[in-house]
Amino acid sequence: QSALTQPASVSGSPGQSITISCTGTSSDVGSYNLVSWYQQHPGKAPKLMIYEVSKRPSGVSNRFSGSKSGNTASLTISGLQAEDEADYYCCSYAGSSTLWVFGGGTKLTVL
Amino acid sequence: EVQLVESGGGLVQPGRSLRLSCAASGFTFDDYAMHWVRQAPGKGLEWVSGISWNSGSIGYADSVKGRFTISRDNAKNSLYLQMNSLRAEDTALYYCAKVTTVTPTGAFDIWGQGTMVTVSS
Repeated sequence: QSALTQPASVSGSPGQSITISCTGTSSDVGSYNLVSWYQQHPGKAPKLMIYEVSKRPSGVSNRFSGSKSGNTASLTISGLQAEDEADYYCCSYAGSSTLWVFGGGTKLTVL
Repeated sequence: EVQLVESGGGLVQPGRSLRLSCAASGFTFDDYAMHWVRQAPGKGLEWVSGISWNSGSIGYADSVKGRFTISRDNAKNSLYLQMNSLRAEDTALYYCAKVTTVTPTGAFDIWGQGTMVTVSS
């Protein structure tokens, strides 16, 4: 059960767009359209932002979007805002035994 | 209001046991699978274990397999994690999380605030 690979940090200025990548394998990201993304502010519980690769839960801004190509999933945040500054984690289903694997997390800094 | 409240954490010596509980409210508990996810201090999220709505499907991370047991009591709207043979590397904030489906394949849409487990002599 290896963790999915995410960049440790990304940054962008208000109004810009950023993309966070999440690389797995053919056993997890590449095999299932069950990738989700979570936002976590310091001292808070994670919040679901994207599920099933590209679906947004009710109440999540349409500035957040997800996609997948092969073994790599991506989260794009457009029109960056100060409140987007947080840690972001990807997560993928990995089969009936392992179930779920998370990425190592990416710290987003809004400059 | 949909809510998950974890309890049972604390300081425990290596090799000892601890049982975590998660009380659910505001939704039909037995309509959804449930999971435990942990986060070591200053580290990322790690999936620990998940259980389907009827306990018919259960999974564990390799790091806890054989030591931890997940269970649920739908009559009490509660989720549990029995942790045995605890190690220093089990030190973490343990979150209870609801998923969007009856099977464990749904995304984690509701999270509790977590209960801290510290394993140290």
